[in-house]
Amino acid sequence: GQNIDQPTEMTATEGAIVQINCTYQTSGFNGLFWYQQHAGEAPTFLSYNVLDGLEEKGRFSSFLSRSKGYSYLLLKELQMKDSASYLCAVMDSNYQLIWGAGTKLIIKP
Amino acid sequence: DGGITQSPKYLFRKEGQNVTLSCEQNLNHDAMYWYRQDPGQGLRLIYYSQIVNDFQKGDIAEGYSVSREKKESFPLTVTSAQKNPTAFYLCASSIAGTSGANVLTFGAGSRLTVL
Repeated sequence: GQNIDQPTEMTATEGAIVQINCTYQTSGFNGLFWYQQHAGEAPTFLSYNVLDGLEEKGRFSSFLSRSKGYSYLLLKELQMKDSASYLCAVMDSNYQLIWGAGTKLIIKP
Repeated sequence: DGGITQSPKYLFRKEGQNVTLSCEQNLNHDAMYWYRQDPGQGLRLIYYSQIVNDFQKGDIAEGYSVSREKKESFPLTVTSAQKNPTAFYLCASSIAGTSGANVLTFGAGSRLTVL
């Protein structure tokens, strides 16, 4: 079966750096997405990786290793507004999105 | 501003009743989707549509129905056949359904509670 694994919850301190990992086993691979979702709100797109390596976008970076079935989202200079759930999703060979359960990130002052 | 509008935001239903959730987009997107979100689980696809007057079942279509009579609109009906309908429902749209870089734009969601 297809599977996406991410930690259920993480805690970090304001101003620090946090890395949220995502491992996947899917039927084929057509890209990996990260979305941010504040409680009770819509998910919003953060990043897309299809080739190995690091994609940097401001305070957020996303890394992909296709051979290891692994990605991470790196958040720098954490702010209180970064408290949210972070969803990892992989597009399989049929162009269907497989979603992880999300990682709830708690930022403490 | 372009976006997706879902209504109602909160809905209460008695057992045995059908309810319809509205989803409207003005992004000129061809593809539209309905997802269900439950605590501790990833988003699960209910139905999707890549073109007007055509739609496909997702992973958990039983007990749900949709229509796509207009490009802008993709309403979801939760029927009495859905055994556990209490959930957060998300509508989304995208430019194209079969593309790797297929970024979804989501609506704000509708929370359905069955009493």
